[in-house]
Amino acid sequence: NAGVTQTPKFRVLKTGQSMTLLCAQDMNHEYMYWYRQDPGMGLRLIHYSVGEGTTAKGEVPDGYNVSRLKKQNFLLGLESAAPSQTSVYFCASSYRMGQGVTEAFFGQGTRLTVV
Amino acid sequence: DAKTTQPPSMDCAEGRAANLPCNHSTISGNEYVYWYRQIHSQGPQYIIHGLKNNETNEMASLIITEDRKSSTLILPHATLRDTAVYYCIVRINRDDKIIFGKGTRLHILP
Repeated sequence: NAGVTQTPKFRVLKTGQSMTLLCAQDMNHEYMYWYRQDPGMGLRLIHYSVGEGTTAKGEVPDGYNVSRLKKQNFLLGLESAAPSQTSVYFCASSYRMGQGVTEAFFGQGTRLTVV
Repeated sequence: DAKTTQPPSMDCAEGRAANLPCNHSTISGNEYVYWYRQIHSQGPQYIIHGLKNNETNEMASLIITEDRKSSTLILPHATLRDTAVYYCIVRINRDDKIIFGKGTRLHILP
């Protein structure tokens, strides 16, 4: 049981390049989340999904797109990377509220540097 | 915006109980209090949550005041491995989002 797996763990991009971060969970969770964490700061919600085929904006969605084509995967895309997107990105998943245990499980993060 | 207020940092001696406060004065009747922690640069880890009764699990205890405007996370016997940032979050039962605040950086002193 792997939990939440993020790919890749590290990446360096040049300004203007695009990339996709993959989050996979094997717990059959309905909800999935993408966060970013800048040095010395708390986590900020980028986008989230409450089920396959649905996504919604979080606190800081600009410059990012997401897709949830399969229940177990949540993809975060950067179409044209900017240095301001240098950050550590965390993915999380949880059961739907009201389904009992609802704590979120987090991946180990993707450290992205845009130069 | 986060609905909680926490001190930015706290110290605790190893082996003593660490008591981390959280103010959530605008909490509504159907909002739960959740605690997570983040050790170094790892992904956050769930600790405990509660609605209005005190809760205890193998990691910690959660004490919620009768008016529910504040709570305290208690780590009964702190170790160096408990050094982390601790986040207090309030979340309505039907709210899909999980919003983090700035948290409390807990230093366990040897």
